[in-house]
Amino acid sequence: QQQVKQSPQSLIVQKGGISIINCAYENTAFDYFPWYQQFPGKGPALLIAIRPDVSEKKEGRFTISFNKSAKQFSLHIMDSQPGDSATYFCAASSYNNDMRFGAGTRLTVKP
Amino acid sequence: EAQVTQNPRYLITVTGKKLTVTCSQNMNHEYMSWYRQDPGLGLRQIYYSMNVEVTDKGDVPEGYKVSRKEKRNFPLILESPSPNQTSLYFCASSFAAAPVGGANVLTFGAGSRLTVL
Repeated sequence: QQQVKQSPQSLIVQKGGISIINCAYENTAFDYFPWYQQFPGKGPALLIAIRPDVSEKKEGRFTISFNKSAKQFSLHIMDSQPGDSATYFCAASSYNNDMRFGAGTRLTVKP
Repeated sequence: EAQVTQNPRYLITVTGKKLTVTCSQNMNHEYMSWYRQDPGLGLRQIYYSMNVEVTDKGDVPEGYKVSRKEKRNFPLILESPSPNQTSLYFCASSFAAAPVGGANVLTFGAGSRLTVL
């Protein structure tokens, strides 16, 4: 059973639009929530991450929103570009750095 | 260049023929892990290691073995591969703990695509 649930499985957005990917977790021991980006033929790479002591983190066009009470977090990509087309994984880990990943979202940004 | 190196990148084998996928990192990381990636299931952890001679099962360890005799190497062993182990495999590594106030980045290899006939 997946410890981190991610939705949607796939997402198509027009260029300039907002992409939103959602994740939920059950294990309250998780204290680190990264998002990884994977391009075809490559391994995943860290995009942005948040710890539960803040509700939002922004880096350029990418923002993580975190709701500790609901045990949910989401990735927002503003002004989505064709170059953002990739698979995105949310993840969570606890004190021992043991990372668990969501099922992934394949994002397609149409020109 | 800091990296995680996996070999082979592509492999086609037959049921029951033992194989090893090697993983090596040059960043002096304590933590190493193996994942398999399957469509619709994302990245599922097979085994992980917090340090030399310390390994533990992930979510899908059946049919796999690992060893961690040296800090830099973490091979994945399939003693008797079966078709349901056809998948894309990733090795990853990181420090055991995040720096104060910083992020602990998991660095992935490029992946090994395994097909078991």
